[in-house]
Amino acid sequence: GEDVEQSLFLSVREGDSSVINCTYTDSSSTYLYWYKQEPGAGLQLLTYIFSNMDMKQDQRLTVLLNKKDKHLSLRIADTQTGDSAIYFCAEIRTGRRALTFGSGTRLQVQP
Amino acid sequence: DAGVTQSPTHLIKTRGQHVTLRCSPISGHKSVSWYQQVLGQGPQFIFQYYEKEERGRGNFPDRFSARQFPNYSSELNVNALLLGDSALYLCASSSDRDSLRSEQFFGPGTRLTVL
Repeated sequence: GEDVEQSLFLSVREGDSSVINCTYTDSSSTYLYWYKQEPGAGLQLLTYIFSNMDMKQDQRLTVLLNKKDKHLSLRIADTQTGDSAIYFCAEIRTGRRALTFGSGTRLQVQP
Repeated sequence: DAGVTQSPTHLIKTRGQHVTLRCSPISGHKSVSWYQQVLGQGPQFIFQYYEKEERGRGNFPDRFSARQFPNYSSELNVNALLLGDSALYLCASSSDRDSLRSEQFFGPGTRLTVL
């Protein structure tokens, strides 16, 4: 099965909060990341969290990590239409060279 | 400063042909990684190169190969193209060999279509 799993789609209204969820399987994951991909563009790193942290806040973004349940979430406060994109959860493990990505969550923000 | 650049932006090939994709990392970055993103999926790791040497390889067949040049730019080569090779190929550069220590910056990708 997938190492990193995400729900496929999320729709919210402008101004509401969005919460995008991710689960991972490997307990040796060291860093967990959130990337944003807009149409025709590459991946933009939004934020990351080290595995010994529970929470990280960066302006409108809040990342929560539950290591016991291997669950990661990204909360976007005051969601704007410009936040419409695909959001990827990714992880990297000690000794690995590469990021392992989920299949992405498409966020649609309705005006 | 220019970000990661990739060429070409789009490419159409037929089955059995060969393709070369190119990537120029951010100035000063010595590590280049290649990812394949099939439509509707997340990127999958193909290769990492650092200081012109292969440092990591994903689960891809030997039809896929890459190299890194003295100026740290990189090429990804795919031989005997299959329909399933149709994807967005992403290049990422970072300043450090260890992906844990430095952010990977992604280019816009090359969209390859195999007919």
